[in-house]
Order: sequence, then C-alpha cells, then structure tokens
Amino acid sequence: QPVLTQSSSASASLGSSVKLTCTLSSGHSSYIIAWHQQQPGKAPRYLMKLEGSGSYNKGSGVPDRFSGSSSGADRYLTISNLQSEDEADYYCETWDSNTRVFGGGTKLTVL
Amino acid sequence: EVQLVESGGGLVQPGGSLRLSCAASGFTFSSYEMNWVRQAPGKGLEWVSYISSSGSTIYYADSVKGRFTISRDNAKNSLYLQMNSLRAEDTAVYYCARFVDGMDVWGQGTTVTVSS
Repeated sequence: QPVLTQSSSASASLGSSVKLTCTLSSGHSSYIIAWHQQQPGKAPRYLMKLEGSGSYNKGSGVPDRFSGSSSGADRYLTISNLQSEDEADYYCETWDSNTRVFGGGTKLTVL
Repeated sequence: EVQLVESGGGLVQPGGSLRLSCAASGFTFSSYEMNWVRQAPGKGLEWVSYISSSGSTIYYADSVKGRFTISRDNAKNSLYLQMNSLRAEDTAVYYCARFVDGMDVWGQGTTVTVSS
C-alpha cells in the first residue's frame, strides 16, 4: 500500500509564499492525492485533489491563494500571500483499492 | 448546506463498547462512499474504515479489524461505527467523512475516551 511522507514543520512570513511537499512511496508515484487543512481545534477541511500531471481541483470556497503542482512522486501545496489564518496542520491523503492513507502532516507556522 | 454531524462519543472503560453515528444532510447520502477517520490527542489523522455507497464493500485499518464494524442506513441518511473491545489506544476524536477523490466533506468529530 502507498505511504505518504511529509516534513513535520514549515514556517514562512506573513504575506510571503510557502510550498509544502508530500512524497509518494516507490511504485506509487502516479497516485492522485488530496490536501487537507486543519486549523487549531477544528475539523480537517478539504483543499483540493491533485493528480500526478499537476492538474488540481479545489474544494468549494478554497481561496485562490492555494494551488497545487506535481513532479514525479512529489505533490506540492503552494500557499501565496500567507495570512495568519493559514497557520495550521496540512495533511495529504491518498487511496488504494482497499485502503486510505494519510501523511504525517506538516505544521505550518506563519511568522 | 452539505453537513455531517457525528454523535455517540464518550468515556468508556477498556474492553467496553460504543456506537458512533454520523447524520448526513444536504446531499444524496446513498450515492456516496463514506469513511471514519480518527485523530488521537496531539497526533495526525488515521483512516479507520470505509464503506461503499450501497454498503456492499467494506474495508478496515489493521488496527481496528475484528473489533470495529462500519455500517450505514441510506434510508436514514446515517453512517455508524460499532466499536467493541475498546483499548486505551482507541482514544481519539472520530470524524466521519464523505469520499469523492479524497475526503471532501468532514464532520466536526466526536470524542471517544477509553480509560478506567
């Protein structure tokens, strides 16, 4: 089954951009993933579906500042013009025939 | 408004049982695959179980297989998770989530605490 690897933490300044990475395990580089945001004390929120081609579809109400891209086994979430409310945990998710998998999450700090 | 609302969480002793419910509204529940996902205190998200739209296909994480049972009642727009033989490590917030190319709608979660 696939494994997703994320850095445990990231930080960037208010108004800047940040690129978070989710890496698929060997043999699963073509998999589609989803990105989720979890603000402190809240339920996760779906951000987007991201394909290996780099094509992405965002969820309802997700700001234009959020975008996705791909390169090989890496899936990226880029957040532009960082706002204080973007400080959150970000999880990637993928799925196989009989399982769903989450990455360990990246804690984003907005400085 | 598309919404999922979980209920049924609480404090239970090790070895005990609990049944979680998830009420769906704002969409045609019977057309969607559903999942349970949990999050232990201070930890990341962990997938627990999946059920197809008709209920005919079910999957479980190894950590709960043989102890948890997922089910749904499409007539009642409801998803369930029967949890038996509960352990301390099952302590978590449990979320139900709709699945469409990823978990695209999440509930607010219900807290399960397993402790004596």
